[in-house]
Amino acid sequence: DAKTTQPPSMDCAEGRAANLPCNHSTISGNEYVYWYRQIHSQGPQYIIHGLKNNETNEMASLIITEDRKSSTLILPHATLRDTAVYYCIVRVSYGGATNKLIFGTGTLLAVQP
Amino acid sequence: KAGVTQTPRYLIKTRGQQVTLSCSPISGHRSVSWYQQTPGQGLQFLFEYFSETQRNKGNFPGRFSGRQFSNSRSEMNVSTLELGDSALYLCASSLASENTEAFFGQGTRLTVV
Repeated sequence: DAKTTQPPSMDCAEGRAANLPCNHSTISGNEYVYWYRQIHSQGPQYIIHGLKNNETNEMASLIITEDRKSSTLILPHATLRDTAVYYCIVRVSYGGATNKLIFGTGTLLAVQP
Repeated sequence: KAGVTQTPRYLIKTRGQQVTLSCSPISGHRSVSWYQQTPGQGLQFLFEYFSETQRNKGNFPGRFSGRQFSNSRSEMNVSTLELGDSALYLCASSLASENTEAFFGQGTRLTVV
């Protein structure tokens, strides 16, 4: 299973962009990168995912390097409510769809007022 | 549409007892996976069910089991509870496709005393 490496914590000023890095150097060609976040003791919330192209939705942008060995989640204008643990996950694939997500330790993003 | 529903939200059990947790997926989702979250081990994959069949299994003892019904609702059972089974148990549902996201419920907080 491809593993991910994230910094344990990051700070960001409210209103500024938060850039959360993730390394996934053993990712396979057909595996997607997913980002989730978890606010204390709640279920993880889906943010965004991608295969090789950059992706953007109403919550965030995902930048994946050309070699796919790393990615960056960008929250364009962080608010206090974005304080959470952010997980970068490589979704395991066994020749078809699977719902097995291997979580690492994540990055605790603290948005400061 | 309704999200993933887990019941009960909180549970207190005594060592040696057994417990059954329930998960109702989002309508139309056929894949349900279960996760255990503890402060020491983080979020760990338990197992995944698809169309009433267990498709993947994590590294947990046989005391942990699950099943899925024809309406895609899933249950997990833990027998002979130990203090270390105290955790937040999360389930996630998704469509059977690689390019889709998994949605998590709010979890069941199990405390074993």
